[in-house]
Amino acid sequence: GDSVTQMEGPVTLSEEAFLTINCTYTATGYPSLFWYVQYPGEGLQLLLKATKADDKGSNKGFEATYRKETTSFHLEKGSVQVSDSAVYFCALGDDKIIFGKGTRLHILP
Amino acid sequence: DAGVIQSPRHEVTEMGQEVTLRCKPISGHNSLFWYRQTMMRGLELLIYFNNNVPIDDSGMPEDRFSAKMPNASFSTLKIQPSEPRDSAVYFCASRLGQDGQPQHFGDGTRLSIL
Repeated sequence: GDSVTQMEGPVTLSEEAFLTINCTYTATGYPSLFWYVQYPGEGLQLLLKATKADDKGSNKGFEATYRKETTSFHLEKGSVQVSDSAVYFCALGDDKIIFGKGTRLHILP
Repeated sequence: DAGVIQSPRHEVTEMGQEVTLRCKPISGHNSLFWYRQTMMRGLELLIYFNNNVPIDDSGMPEDRFSAKMPNASFSTLKIQPSEPRDSAVYFCASRLGQDGQPQHFGDGTRLSIL
């Protein structure tokens, strides 16, 4: 069945560092891909999405590109802030959505 | 617009008691999802509905769990009888349409079974 694998955390970076959180997937067909973010005490929020190969999703300085050849959807940000500290989930699907296990990100001031 | 509304936000009860979690989806959304989140198992899909009809309940752990959606603006997840291993954060999410549309999550119900 379809699945998502993302790098285990926690990931700890200093403010203004470059961020990459790896995500790879296994899927039949070409499902939509998502990154969600979860702040403490809250539900998941959509961060960005891409619906077909080579699409780039972007939001709040975060980017991810739908790579069919490497079955990847890595999340990147050029300069992280303390406020980016959260748990990030990679996900795929067009009807039922399958989530990765989440990567906790800590940004130090 | 109001987001997905879940109640209660916190529930503490003793094992063996019945627990009912409630969800009001975003108006106009036609799909609704129930998830359970724990440290050990991450985020698990329990059941989802399209147009108030249950489509996939394969994630419901056992017969103690049941979910209903009597109309487009309300859903319940019931656990009877509850057990300590049911302690988790339960999320409801709703979505407009299908084909790659994002889900919108509520803030969850933190359930503790003593």
